[in-house]
Amino acid sequence: DTEVTQTPKHLVMGMTNKKSLKCEQHMGHRAMYWYKQKAKKPPELMFVYSYEKLSINESVPSRFSPECPNSSLLNLHLHALQPEDSALYLCASSQDIGDSQHFGDGTRLSIL
Amino acid sequence: GEDVEQSLFLSVREGDSSVINCTYTDSSSTYLYWYKQEPGAGLQLLTYIFSNMDMKQDQRLTVLLNKKDKHLSLRIADTQTGDSAIYFCAEIEEAAGNKLTFGGGTRVLVKP
Repeated sequence: DTEVTQTPKHLVMGMTNKKSLKCEQHMGHRAMYWYKQKAKKPPELMFVYSYEKLSINESVPSRFSPECPNSSLLNLHLHALQPEDSALYLCASSQDIGDSQHFGDGTRLSIL
Repeated sequence: GEDVEQSLFLSVREGDSSVINCTYTDSSSTYLYWYKQEPGAGLQLLTYIFSNMDMKQDQRLTVLLNKKDKHLSLRIADTQTGDSAIYFCAEIEEAAGNKLTFGGGTRVLVKP
């Protein structure tokens, strides 16, 4: 069982839709991360939040918009995505930046 | 080229030992990690080793670190069919803001 919970598990959306991915942890971790993983590849870092502030943006297109409403929650807002954005989106958290990261089970996103 | 490299595939018979190898380049790495990813799931943190250690054992798992050669290995004793998965080694890159850098992953297939 993972201590990082992601919803939904699966999401199919059209290119004009707006949707959000959610991530929650109750371990008291102060760093949270979004990763994108394509099939048969390692995860690629997208964003890092530290103490609820955006710390790293790995030059991610603006159609992906992260939000950290509080220390337990991390959202990823999606708008006008492209078919190549279809992937597994993983959330992770760690006590602080540089500490062991714990991953959720991901949201499998398909763009039609 | 990649900062962290792994072989692509390992086939092993049930009950035998598996050894997964990894090389890395960042000599300032403080922690090195092994993650397991089963089909359709997120990444599970298996174990990690601090850079001033050369060995760590945790039940069926043994991690060996050769810091001089920047070589990391994960040995799984008495490999079971449930060990079939992709295994990622990863390092924390201090020079890159403590980002977690993954190897390409080794797919382990356990045959009965």
